Amino acid sequence: GAVVSQHPSWVICKSGTSVKIECRSLDFQATTMFWYRQFPKQSLMLMATSNEGSKATYEQGVEKDKFLINHASLTLSTLTVTSAHPEDSSFYICSARGTVYNEQFFGPGTRLTVL
Amino acid sequence: DAKTTQPTSMDCAEGRAANLPCNHSTISGNEYVYWYRQIHSQGPQYIIHGLKNNETNEMASLIITEDRKSSTLILPHATLRDTAVYYCIVRPTNTGTASKLTFGTGTRLQVTL
Repeated sequence: GAVVSQHPSWVICKSGTSVKIECRSLDFQATTMFWYRQFPKQSLMLMATSNEGSKATYEQGVEKDKFLINHASLTLSTLTVTSAHPEDSSFYICSARGTVYNEQFFGPGTRLTVL
Repeated sequence: DAKTTQPTSMDCAEGRAANLPCNHSTISGNEYVYWYRQIHSQGPQYIIHGLKNNETNEMASLIITEDRKSSTLILPHATLRDTAVYYCIVRPTNTGTASKLTFGTGTRLQVTL
């Protein structure tokens, strides 16, 4: 299957700072990328969907000004958590889907801890 | 998107077949059945998907009932490394932005010695 990477794998930051998470499709072109969030002992919740070169579509209840998504190329999407607060601490997972593979492939996740 | 129902948890002895059921009685004709699993603190891993016919790959087999209202994921010889949460998801066949994977609570499979 296709490989999706995320960087960093974990990050600790102070409250009020911004954190950027990168998601890369390593061996395929990702026309659509998805960002999920997972709190402890809960399932994955979709935050937003983005197509390359277009603005992201956010799920209901997700603040687009707080979670900035950029999908500037077919292999890279970034999620920036702006002015992070402790309640933003979570496991953030990206997923990518291309034209060759109809399946969604997931990255290993980024654990964000906001102090 | 059609909703799925899965048992909360299941146990399986190592070496035995693990049969994970999924109910998707409201599935539409254009929706695939996808299975993913998530090992603790990792991203979900794609396992298999199907539309109407049974499917098999190196990881598992997927049995879909004729009326497509339910399916079963079969891990033929479960190992301890198969311990994970297994998600059954239905998704439209089109690949537009509306075609996204929505995760339910899944089945927590515990493989034991």
